[in-house]
Amino acid sequence: AQSVTQPDIHITVSEGASLELRCNYSYGATPYLFWYVQSPGQGLQLLLKYFSGDTLVQGIKGFEAEFKRSQSSFNLRKPSVHWSDAAEYFCAVGPYTGTASKLTFGTGTRLQVTL
Amino acid sequence: EAEVAQSPRYKITEKSQAVAFWCDPISGHATLYWYRQILGQGPELLVQFQDESVVDDSQLPKDRFSAERLKGVDSTLKIQPAELGDSAMYLCASSLGVGGLQETQYFGPGTRLLVL
Repeated sequence: AQSVTQPDIHITVSEGASLELRCNYSYGATPYLFWYVQSPGQGLQLLLKYFSGDTLVQGIKGFEAEFKRSQSSFNLRKPSVHWSDAAEYFCAVGPYTGTASKLTFGTGTRLQVTL
Repeated sequence: EAEVAQSPRYKITEKSQAVAFWCDPISGHATLYWYRQILGQGPELLVQFQDESVVDDSQLPKDRFSAERLKGVDSTLKIQPAELGDSAMYLCASSLGVGGLQETQYFGPGTRLLVL
């Protein structure tokens, strides 16, 4: 069964500092990997996704993530955090097969940004 | 920009009562998803529709939950009777085509349910 672990429940960074959110996945084959962001009172918004090819993926809002198969990781990074980035971030994994669409989400990491 | 609409945004009900949530996907999106997000956890897929047909409802507690998408457009998720453990955020999402993970899922703002 597929699973996702986000080891950090809560992270606080200063505005302008760099950010890395950790994500480890368990899946028996090549996975699809995603990062979503959820602001308070809102639904989830896709930041980026990895299917194949270049293991460094660029997303919206200046985020990027790197797929490392050997470490079963897909960590999210941003070089300089803005106060508006404060939100909850979810990593998700899904099967690399046909029309199957079942995403398995991690428990999320809440990002707090201090000014 | 087109969005997924959900109503109500908040719902408070007593246990054993019936409750229903409505979702209107982005126009033209064939695939619709209902997720449940318990506080402190990530979303969990309850049911996936392709047009009006159920594709996956393996995680839907069918003794009390039902979902329909009669005309392949908007959808209703019902709980009857509600239990305390049903308190959660219920998210609806839609995607354009046949629902593979190559497609982006667009999420609505959710309905937050509190069962007393």
